[in-house]
This record gives sequence, C-alpha cells and structure tokens, in this order.
Amino acid sequence: QQPVQSPQAVILREGEDAVINCSSSKALYSVHWYRQKHGEAPVFLMILLKGGEQKGHEKISASFNEKKQQSSLYLTASQLSYSGTYFCGTYSGAGSYQLTFGKGTKLSVIP
Amino acid sequence: EAGVAQSPRYKIIEKRQSVAFWCNPISGHATLYWYQQILGQGPKLLIQFQNNGVVDDSQLPKDRFSAERLKGVDSTLKIQPAKLEDSAVYLCASSLDASLRGYTFGSGTRLTVV
Repeated sequence: QQPVQSPQAVILREGEDAVINCSSSKALYSVHWYRQKHGEAPVFLMILLKGGEQKGHEKISASFNEKKQQSSLYLTASQLSYSGTYFCGTYSGAGSYQLTFGKGTKLSVIP
Repeated sequence: EAGVAQSPRYKIIEKRQSVAFWCNPISGHATLYWYQQILGQGPKLLIQFQNNGVVDDSQLPKDRFSAERLKGVDSTLKIQPAKLEDSAVYLCASSLDASLRGYTFGSGTRLTVV
C-alpha cells in the first residue's frame, strides 16, 4: 500500500527549515528517502531501519517512529540546492526487498 | 563507479506501436528493478530481477509488457502494443544491498504515446 506524504508541496526561503512526513497504514521495516530534481534520476539520501536511530547528514536528517509507522525528513537552514521532489519509499519486511513510493513532496527554495 | 545507464532518453510513439527500453546496471549489482513514474506521481514497481531470475512481476501488465535480464546484467523492458496511458518515465534501478545502501536509479526513459 502506498505511503502518504505531506505536505504535497512547500516553498521556502533560503535558510528556513522544513519537515516532510511519510505515513503508512502497514507496519514498516524500513523507510528510504530520495530526492529527484526535474528531469533527473532520484538520488538516495538515507535509510531508516526499524529499531534504528535517527540519521542525518549535515543539515538533512530523518527519524522513524515505528509505533506510528511514520518517518519525517528534516531540512534545516535550507539551500537553493535542496529544491526538488522528495520521495519516501517503504518496505514492510515481507517478501523480497522492494520499495513502495509515496507521491512525493515538491520543495522549492527561493532566494 | 559508473551509474545506471538507460536508453533511449526520450521516445515518442503512436498508440498500438511497440517500444523497448534498455538498462545497464552498476557492475556487480545483482538486483534490478523497473519502475514506472507517471507525471506527478511516485515511482511504481513493475518488475524485480535477482541476477537473471524474476523475483516479482505481479504488477507488470503482462498482456502488453514484458521484460528480461539476460546473463544477469543488462535488461530490456518492452511494451507491445502501447496505449496512451503508458506515457510515463520508465526508471531502472539497481542495488547491491538495498536494505543498507538503497537503490541507484538511472536517468530514465521518457515515453510519450500519441
């Protein structure tokens, strides 16, 4: 079942923060986050595993709440380069390892 | 390392025609996926290969779509005959261990059916 992402779109000024949420109705084993710029391939950002800790790299971090089956992606002090569409991909732990992606959150950072 | 290569980059065909897409994954990546991404939507899995075997093709419209992965390396995805609703970007992804390192996607083939 497809995870639900919110918000669908957000516009930020440089330096502002944003949170993107990804929720599932199914129990999750892992959540992946990808960023896709217009006309380009989605690029892997990070994986959150069940039982794992919050992860982060510089100003982009994420958390995974197993009880709520929800993951959040945090972008702090946004830069112009953060613009793009962010997708979460989820794996329930059943069957072969394959991701089901949400519809995406379009992030636009303006000067 | 070289990325996932896909070709062609763009393709325009008329409905009922056939089309084929090619994917060359990262060397050593045993798992290969084909996803369909309709404009404004997230990628939707079509088929998953492990080496040259099909792991899951439950979401592949088999009356018109087919895919193969010869020798566990390159893969082709074919549509015959194409319908207007097949207009989308077809993404190929490969992984060494998706549970740890995620997917590496190719740039995709944008198909327009007119």
